[in-house]
Amino acid sequence: GENVEQHPSTLSVQEGDSAVIKCTYSDSASNYFPWYKQELGKGPQLIIDIRSNVGEKKDQRIAVTLNKTAKHFSLHITETQPEDSAVYFCAASRDSNYQLIWGAGTKLIIKP
Amino acid sequence: GAGVSQTPSNKVTEKGKYVELRCDPISGHTALYWYRQSLGQGPEFLIYFQGTGAADDSGLPNDRFFAVRPEGSVSTLKIQRTERGDSAVYLCASSLPNSPLHFGNGTRLTVT
Repeated sequence: GENVEQHPSTLSVQEGDSAVIKCTYSDSASNYFPWYKQELGKGPQLIIDIRSNVGEKKDQRIAVTLNKTAKHFSLHITETQPEDSAVYFCAASRDSNYQLIWGAGTKLIIKP
Repeated sequence: GAGVSQTPSNKVTEKGKYVELRCDPISGHTALYWYRQSLGQGPEFLIYFQGTGAADDSGLPNDRFFAVRPEGSVSTLKIQRTERGDSAVYLCASSLPNSPLHFGNGTRLTVT
């Protein structure tokens, strides 16, 4: 079955710098790749997603890139701010918006 | 508008007891999902409703777990004969067809 690996488990960056979180997946038929942000005591919140027919998608300070050949995708956050501190999860699925296989999460810490 | 609402936010119960967890989806969302999240992990799919019927219950771990959505809106997740291993955060999400999931803040279940 599908397996999603996420790195790093913890990432600490200076406020204003960029943060990059990487995920790899095993199922070459996966075609939907969302990223979720989860703050303490809250449910995951979708921040950006990408489908396999595009290689990159951007929304203000957040971008996701997808390399289907290498089966990896990455989240890029530029100009980081204190409110970006949270746990970020990547996920992958095949033709489904709910049968997601999730990464283990990355705790992002923004240092003032 | 209001998001997905889950009650209670916290539930402590003794091993062997029965518990019910409630989810109020976003108005108009026909799809409803239950997930379980253990500490330091991504959510794990339990069950998906389309309208009143369970379209996919392949994630329910055993027959102690059951969920209903009798009128196609509010859903209740029921756990019988709770075990300490059932302790986790139970997340509910809702969506429009084939659209991204919107999660509630979860119910933290502790079985003592």
